[in-house]
Amino acid sequence: AQKVTQAQTEISVVEKEDVTLDCVYETRDTTYYLFWYKQPPSGELVFLIRRNSFDEQNEISGRYSWNFQKSTSSFNFTITASQVVDSAVYFCALSGGSGGSNYKLTFGKGTLLTVNP
Amino acid sequence: DAGITQSPRHKVTETGTPVTLRCHQTENHRYMYWYRQDPGHGLRLIHYSYGVKDTDKGEVSDGYSVSRSKTEDFLLTLESATSSQTSVYFCAISEHPPGLVSGELFFGEGSRLTVL
Repeated sequence: AQKVTQAQTEISVVEKEDVTLDCVYETRDTTYYLFWYKQPPSGELVFLIRRNSFDEQNEISGRYSWNFQKSTSSFNFTITASQVVDSAVYFCALSGGSGGSNYKLTFGKGTLLTVNP
Repeated sequence: DAGITQSPRHKVTETGTPVTLRCHQTENHRYMYWYRQDPGHGLRLIHYSYGVKDTDKGEVSDGYSVSRSKTEDFLLTLESATSSQTSVYFCAISEHPPGLVSGELFFGEGSRLTVL
């Protein structure tokens, strides 16, 4: 079974601080895919990134970066120089790469990030 | 933005009544999903569809049924609503399964259901 753990329920930072959101996953699949979604206060779910298990290169997109470490089954998300607009719930998610598990996306419980001015 | 419309967006109903939520897409995507979001639980998969008339259960399917008679519509039915089904329901679509290339899910705006 797939499992995603986001141990940080809530994080509060002051604007311009860097913040890292942790994500630990469990899967028996050798091929799998990891995702991050953002849910701002308005409620919609916004896709941020998708990585496959064969690509452990870190990825950077503007102020966002992702650190994928297979050895620790982690896919952490860092926001550099946080801004108030980054305030949202962030979800990490996992999909298997074969059989029926590749049809489903399993989400963690989410981390509420509050960036204070 | 992906063309996904959920209806109704808000509904208040009483325990024991049937409720149907509709998800309509204009993207012609094969895969459709129903999730519920509850505080402390994140998003949990209720049912999903991998084609017309092809559906399967997710992790919290008890008390729910679904139907997909055409590509664009995926209906979620609560046969007899209970207070534990008070939640925000999200529909999602994807062109490919999330476990394949370019398989990201795109979500609707959510439907808030309150069961009294």
